[in-house]
Amino acid sequence: AQTVTQSQPEMSVQEAETVTLSCTYDTSESDYYLFWYKQPPSRQMILVIRQEAYKQQNATENRFSVNFQKAAKSFSLKISDSQLGDAAMYFCAYLVEEGGSEKLVFGKGTKLTVNP
Amino acid sequence: ETGVTQSPTHLIKTRGQQVTLRCSSQSGHNTVSWYQQALGQGPQFIFQYYREEENGRGNFPPRFSGLQFPNYSSELNVNALELDDSALYLCASSVGLAGMSYEQYFGPGTRLTVT
Repeated sequence: AQTVTQSQPEMSVQEAETVTLSCTYDTSESDYYLFWYKQPPSRQMILVIRQEAYKQQNATENRFSVNFQKAAKSFSLKISDSQLGDAAMYFCAYLVEEGGSEKLVFGKGTKLTVNP
Repeated sequence: ETGVTQSPTHLIKTRGQQVTLRCSSQSGHNTVSWYQQALGQGPQFIFQYYREEENGRGNFPPRFSGLQFPNYSSELNVNALELDDSALYLCASSVGLAGMSYEQYFGPGTRLTVT
């Protein structure tokens, strides 16, 4: 069964500094998709970044980048120049194609606090 | 471009009752997925609808059912509510199968409380 593990229940960072959130996953597939979602107190899940497993290059979206280590099944999120608005729950997710459907399998999340 | 919307925002029901939650997908998206997020947990997949048919289901009992309409909006119905059904219910839309975007965009959720 595919599983996603986020080993850091909580993290904190000073404004303008850099923080890295960890994620590991388990799969027997060779081609798959990984995502990081942000969930602020407003509850809406916001897609932050996605990574295709067949791409060796790590994805980047402005201040957000990933370190994708396929062999180690590791997918960490780096947030640079942290801002107060980055404070939220962050979920790592793996896309599973099963029986014609595409479902996301989520980790339990990491709560990020940004200190001014 | 209109994002994913859900209604109602909050709902309080009594154990044993039935509830219907609604979702309008993002413009251009033909696939809707429903997730249940218990407090302090990540979302869990309930089921997915593509072109008005259920094409995948998670580990949820049959009292969780759904519909998708020709305009790709969707409903989640839960019968015989139990206390453990209290959760945030999230709807996500995507361009499925032929579109193959693989990105799911979420609505703001419906907070269901069962007493």
